[in-house]
Amino acid sequence: DIQLTQSPSFLSASVGDRVTITCRASQGISSYLAWYQQKPGKAPKLLIYAASTLQSGVPSRFSGSGSGTEFTLTISSLQPEDFATYYCQQLNSYPRFTFGPGTKVDIK
Amino acid sequence: EVQLVESGGGLVQPGRSLRLSCAASGFTFDDYAMHWVRQAPGKGLEWVSGISWNSGSIGYADSVKGRFTISRDNAKNSLYLQMNSLRAEDTALYYCAKESGDYSPDYYYYYYMDVWGKGTTVTVSS
Repeated sequence: DIQLTQSPSFLSASVGDRVTITCRASQGISSYLAWYQQKPGKAPKLLIYAASTLQSGVPSRFSGSGSGTEFTLTISSLQPEDFATYYCQQLNSYPRFTFGPGTKVDIK
Repeated sequence: EVQLVESGGGLVQPGRSLRLSCAASGFTFDDYAMHWVRQAPGKGLEWVSGISWNSGSIGYADSVKGRFTISRDNAKNSLYLQMNSLRAEDTALYYCAKESGDYSPDYYYYYYMDVWGKGTTVTVSS
């Protein structure tokens, strides 16, 4: 099974900061990676798929990059509504689509 | 409006069974694969099971394999999860999610989960 790790697990940042979250896969998954944002008490929301394609309606301050085993999610200028937990998900081994453990972004 | 509504959760004793349902509306249900994802209290997301549009491809997480069965009824626009031999560690909020995808410029098909329900809570306790 493909395992995903995320770093950091937790980060504290201020509004306006540039934030980068890393997701690593235990084996190559090409660009079969998605990113989700989850706020407390809410369902996850798709941000990015195919490693770097922004889902419709998602602000352009979110971007994704990477392929193979290492991926990043970047928020170029953190906004108050971006404080949430972010998960990566591999979609390489159909239909077993595992998630990373999550990165919580909190207010400094 | 595209919508997924889960139901069937509740409090159940260890070893017993429960059947979750997910009612889909606002899209052509039988065009899409579907998934169950769960989240234990205070924990991260865990993919549980997925089923292709025609039930021809099905997968389970190792943690539920042999105990849970995913199915769908395209005529009723519904997804199901039959959960047997429930354990305390199955306690979670269970989401159903719609799988979609796009072709890249180089013709690779990339999947993602673009629509999620609000979830139904399963508590396994004596």
